[in-house]
Amino acid sequence: EVQLVESGGGLVQPGGSLRLSCAASGFTVSSNFMSWVRQAPGKGLEWVSLIYSGGNTYYADSVKGRFTISRDSSKNTLYLQMNSLRPEDTAVYYCARVKPGDHGNVFDLWGQGTMVTGSS
Amino acid sequence: EIVMTQSPATLSVSPGERATLSCRASQSVSSHLGWYQQKPGQAPRLLIYGASTRATGIPARFSGSGSGTEFTLTISSLQSEDFAVYYCQQYNGWPTFGQGTKVEIK
Repeated sequence: EVQLVESGGGLVQPGGSLRLSCAASGFTVSSNFMSWVRQAPGKGLEWVSLIYSGGNTYYADSVKGRFTISRDSSKNTLYLQMNSLRPEDTAVYYCARVKPGDHGNVFDLWGQGTMVTGSS
Repeated sequence: EIVMTQSPATLSVSPGERATLSCRASQSVSSHLGWYQQKPGQAPRLLIYGASTRATGIPARFSGSGSGTEFTLTISSLQSEDFAVYYCQQYNGWPTFGQGTKVEIK
């Protein structure tokens, strides 16, 4: 079955760090464009970061310099390292796959999400 | 940043009726526009990409149209499982989403 399963969310104090994981099955993470998208409680969706199959990485201005997207081919897993966390980073974080093929950055497969709460 | 604006914020529709949702971009996004459905406690699900192409497994009652800055998602005959929040997303630049339209039972 093709799926994404996130883990690693939790409660973290402002200024703290957290690493989110997204384990993929049924396809190869490193051969696809992958992304993180977040959703603050009761709010809409916000793109966070992208990693292309060639390894290039991109970030929203709101997280640039604080978050790092990466992947481990041996574990077929995507990561998001979150440093210097702020209360406004509180959200459900989804990993998502960019639809394969030359379709642009539209997301055809999503994980169930993991909650990150940045609060003292 | 390309700003996406959806209207209305809430749409009250009776089962079996037609629903029309709008999405406007602050600048042209060509046809690089997707629509997603999200139910409470669930991840978004891709419905439409390329402004008008249905994603795999999406029923034919969902259709998308538009290009440039004006887009529409139409649900031809609402079923009980269609009551949800719908988001548009442009991908002509870095991805940005609209604020969502909630389709509720009238």
